[in-house]
Amino acid sequence: SAVISQKPSRDICQRGTSLTIQCQVDSQVTMMFWYRQQPGQSLTLIATANQGSEATYESGFVIDKFPISRPNLTFSTLTVSNMSPEDSSIYLCSGPEQLNTEAFFGQGTRLTVV
Amino acid sequence: DAKTTQPNSMESNEEEPVHLPCNHSTISGTDYIHWYRQLPSQGPEYVIHGLTSNVNNRMASLAIAEDRKSSTLILHRATLRDAAVYYCILRDGAGGGSNYKLTFGKGTLLTVNP
Repeated sequence: SAVISQKPSRDICQRGTSLTIQCQVDSQVTMMFWYRQQPGQSLTLIATANQGSEATYESGFVIDKFPISRPNLTFSTLTVSNMSPEDSSIYLCSGPEQLNTEAFFGQGTRLTVV
Repeated sequence: DAKTTQPNSMESNEEEPVHLPCNHSTISGTDYIHWYRQLPSQGPEYVIHGLTSNVNNRMASLAIAEDRKSSTLILHRATLRDAAVYYCILRDGAGGGSNYKLTFGKGTLLTVNP
């Protein structure tokens, strides 16, 4: 099974600043996915990150706010830009395993904006 | 995405079986039924999936109704470590990795009593 590592695991940030979250997979995956989990809520997909092309964003999420990089098949970053307290959430990355039978998730990045 | 309906919460006693129901009346012919769970302060983890036939693995069993409009996740002997939110998710089996974005509902919060 794949192992997905996220950094940082948690952070407290000032409003108006930006935070970049890193996601490293121990095997190559074609697609990586970024989710947000607001306090007490379920997971919501932010975007799909493809290698070599621009990320595909879900309704309600825009590139200017959540720019994503995918430089290779094992790594991706999500930046939360110009943060406000409403951005306080857990951010998780995910990738499917080779046969696309299951997805693996990182442990998440718990972000608090003050 | 086809929707699923789950009870908000269920309670079980340790070492007893647990049956977690899921309704998915609008399921299509290519939709796989996936179950993930999220333990406290962790990312979701894959539990089991199936298409038409009942499935067993080391974690659980999945019973799928003949018309596929409902399914039941069965934990044969609940332990305290099984306390988690359980998500029933339909995933379109066509399209490979690009269809691995998962749409999470609210899930069922399982409480296991000692």
